[in-house]
Amino acid sequence: EIVLTQSPGTLSLSPGERATLSCRASQSVSGSYLAWYQQKPGQAPRLLIYGASSRATGIPDRFSGSGSGTDFTLTISRLEPEDLAVYYCQQYGTSPWTFGQGTKVEIK
Amino acid sequence: QVQLQESGPGLVKPSETLSLTCTVSGGSISSYYWSWIRQPPGKELEWIGYVYYSGSTNYNPSLKSRVTISVDTSKNQFSLDLTSVTAADTAVYYCARGRSGSYHSPFDYWGQGTLVTVSS
Repeated sequence: EIVLTQSPGTLSLSPGERATLSCRASQSVSGSYLAWYQQKPGQAPRLLIYGASSRATGIPDRFSGSGSGTDFTLTISRLEPEDLAVYYCQQYGTSPWTFGQGTKVEIK
Repeated sequence: QVQLQESGPGLVKPSETLSLTCTVSGGSISSYYWSWIRQPPGKELEWIGYVYYSGSTNYNPSLKSRVTISVDTSKNQFSLDLTSVTAADTAVYYCARGRSGSYHSPFDYWGQGTLVTVSS
């Protein structure tokens, strides 16, 4: 199975700063079938990005995704207090679908 | 607006079968892939498997010997059975929809999740 490794484990930034989250795959993700989710405490995950770079419906444009092959990035251009959450990447190109271990974003 | 709601026992005894149902409202269960995903407390997400509305399935090999996922289109529901549970199966269980009718789909709608504890 494809193992996804996310870094850093925790990111502590101030409102208005730029957040860069990394997701590295143990083998190439076919079709760039890579998604990013946001999970706030006590809530279900919410789809942010799919196909590595397409924003899901209703997602603000401060969230963007990039990458291909084995290296992918989620960027939050200007952090807002409500962005406090754990962010997961997920590949759905090769079964079984797998998730990364998450990056926790803290707001200073 | 599509909504998903998990239902089932919150407590299951070791060696017994965990059974959950996901009811889909606000849209048809037809033409989509429907998955179960779980998250042990404080840990990452694990995809369990999916069922297509036609009834075809695909399971995570790590759980395949113990998992059955089925669909009832007349009730707009799909279900999960996980046999021979142990404490390691304690988790929040989510049901979710594949975004498009394609095999390769991220999850765009999720249930709120239900905590299932395995304990005697």
